[in-house]
Amino acid sequence: GQQVQQSPASLVLQEGENAELQCNFSTSLNSMQWFYQRPEGSLVSLFYNPSGTKQSGRLTSTTVIKERRSSLHISSSQITDSGTYLCAMEHYGNEKITFGAGTKLTIKP
Amino acid sequence: GALVYQYPRRTICKSGTSMRMECQAVGFQATSVAWYRQSPQKTFELIALSTVNSAIKYEQNFTQEKFPISHPNLSFSSMTVLNAYLEDRGLYLCGAREGFSSYEQYFGPGTRLTVL
Repeated sequence: GQQVQQSPASLVLQEGENAELQCNFSTSLNSMQWFYQRPEGSLVSLFYNPSGTKQSGRLTSTTVIKERRSSLHISSSQITDSGTYLCAMEHYGNEKITFGAGTKLTIKP
Repeated sequence: GALVYQYPRRTICKSGTSMRMECQAVGFQATSVAWYRQSPQKTFELIALSTVNSAIKYEQNFTQEKFPISHPNLSFSSMTVLNAYLEDRGLYLCGAREGFSSYEQYFGPGTRLTVL
């Protein structure tokens, strides 16, 4: 079955609102990474967050291993935040990384 | 800092022909290199993982006969798509890591393959 479930699949917000993106995983986790995928496809690494909370500017990532979830919070969203966000988990015990299906975020003026 | 380059960035090949793509790690030694494919409207799938001093492990639905990979040293890997067909089109990404497990994987910008 699917080991990484990312939600929501799409999210539309007004500029200034906060966005909350989730990843839930069904197997033991070694690490979690969050990416922004540029329109042409390349990935921008946002966070490498095996556990706990990390913040970078308006972005915050929280990984709770016990609850098998990780979240990406974007505060005071801006139009330029629009795009696809992907989470990727590394499975415990091997080096395999599984990507979530992505969240397409649209920020409207 | 750690960087990963991929070449070419875009390529077009005729159906039934083969195409080779390269991945270069700069600023660190890539003890493992993973190749992924993102088909249109889908997320990334792991094709294979190559770890130094270990055999290359291919995921289900991907084979060495179709996607041979070379990882000759700690900074370079290449993968060939043999006999490419329409279902092989997409964005091919390589991810490289220094160290074993619990380390961040650095991704290249990808090679976008179009098959005519």
